[in-house]
Amino acid sequence: GAVVSQHPSWVICKSGTSVKIECRSLDFQATTMFWYRQFPKQSLMLMATSNEGSKATYEQGVEKDKFLINHASLTLSTLTVTSAHPEDSSFYICSARESLNEKLFFGSGTQLSVL
Amino acid sequence: DQQVKQNSPSLSVQEGRISILNCDYTNSMFDYFLWYKKYPAEGPTFLISISSIKDKNEDGRFTVFLNKSAKHLSLHIVPSQPGDSAVYFCAASGRVDTGGFKTIFGAGTRLFVKA
Repeated sequence: GAVVSQHPSWVICKSGTSVKIECRSLDFQATTMFWYRQFPKQSLMLMATSNEGSKATYEQGVEKDKFLINHASLTLSTLTVTSAHPEDSSFYICSARESLNEKLFFGSGTQLSVL
Repeated sequence: DQQVKQNSPSLSVQEGRISILNCDYTNSMFDYFLWYKKYPAEGPTFLISISSIKDKNEDGRFTVFLNKSAKHLSLHIVPSQPGDSAVYFCAASGRVDTGGFKTIFGAGTRLFVKA
């Protein structure tokens, strides 16, 4: 099956710093990638849809200036958590959709801890 | 507004028996449904899917049933194995007004398979 690589797998940072998370589709081109966030014992919450070459579409309640998404190529999307605060600590997961079907392939996730 | 609901947060089953995980959805625009399995600190992995034009799809020990009139789907695992112990997410996918696809996840059901 298709492979989505997400990096880093975990990061600890100080409050006020910015953190960049990368999501790559390794063996297919993904015009659309998705970013999810998961709090402990809760569901995957869609944060935004990342479209190659255009602006991301954010879900209601997600601050676009806080969570910057860049989808510069068909295989790479990045999520930057700007001026991170402890409440941003969470598990962030990206996914990508293969063309022509609706199956999502997920990265391995990034555990962000903001001190 | 939860569009995809998994009302059972956990389920415990004896090894060898059948596991039945349930999922309900509210939005009629969903036309493709998926089940994912997730271990802690990992990204979800795709298990099985079903299109709205079908009412059953089987893959080895996993079978998904869809009841469109009731907006209900279920995942059957038989026989259950200890390695099946994980969190199972139900997801529903469909076109949104902007023309793209959106996938919404349920809250997940934690399955425990006892040896």
